Amino acid sequence: GENVEQHPSTLSVQEGDSAVIKCTYSDSASNYFPWYKQELGKGPQLIIDIRSNVGEKKDQRIAVTLNKTAKHFSLHITETQPEDSAVYFCAAVKIDKLIFGTGTRLQVFP
Amino acid sequence: DGGITQSPKYLFRKEGQNVTLSCEQNLNHDAMYWYRQDPGQGLRLIYYSQIVNDFQKGDIAEGYSVSREKKESFPLTVTSAQKNPTAFYLCASSTGQGGQETQYFGPGTRLLVL
Repeated sequence: GENVEQHPSTLSVQEGDSAVIKCTYSDSASNYFPWYKQELGKGPQLIIDIRSNVGEKKDQRIAVTLNKTAKHFSLHITETQPEDSAVYFCAAVKIDKLIFGTGTRLQVFP
Repeated sequence: DGGITQSPKYLFRKEGQNVTLSCEQNLNHDAMYWYRQDPGQGLRLIYYSQIVNDFQKGDIAEGYSVSREKKESFPLTVTSAQKNPTAFYLCASSTGQGGQETQYFGPGTRLLVL
């Protein structure tokens, strides 16, 4: 079955620096990879997603890259701001369900 | 949190008691999901429903039950058989089936055991 590993579990950066979170998946049939941001005490919010027919997708300061051969995908946040501080989850599809990574707590220091 | 509401925000359960968590959506979504979130373990799927009057077990369904009598509603009951119910419970919905449509999450219910 699908297994999603996410690294690092915590990440601290200075405001303005870039942050990168990486995930690997096991099922080569997975073809949809969303990223969610969760603020304290709230539900996760989709921030970007990518499908297996593209290698990269960008939305302002956020980008996601996908390497199907290596079965890993990454979230890139540039010019980080204090409001980017949250827990970020990656996910991959397993048949008709999403399997989530264990999350990365990002802290952006001013 | 879109058009998904969960209630209550906090819920306390006594030993041997069943409790029901509410999830309502006004997005006209066909599919709905229940997840459990524990510290350091991400989100784990409890139950999901792709259409009214039908639902399937997720990865950790033991000790839980659901119903899907209306398209807008997908309540989750935590039964006394669930020995470790303390967690943050999240409901989500999506337009279609197959897990490849964006899932929109509610604000969550935190369940605590007295």
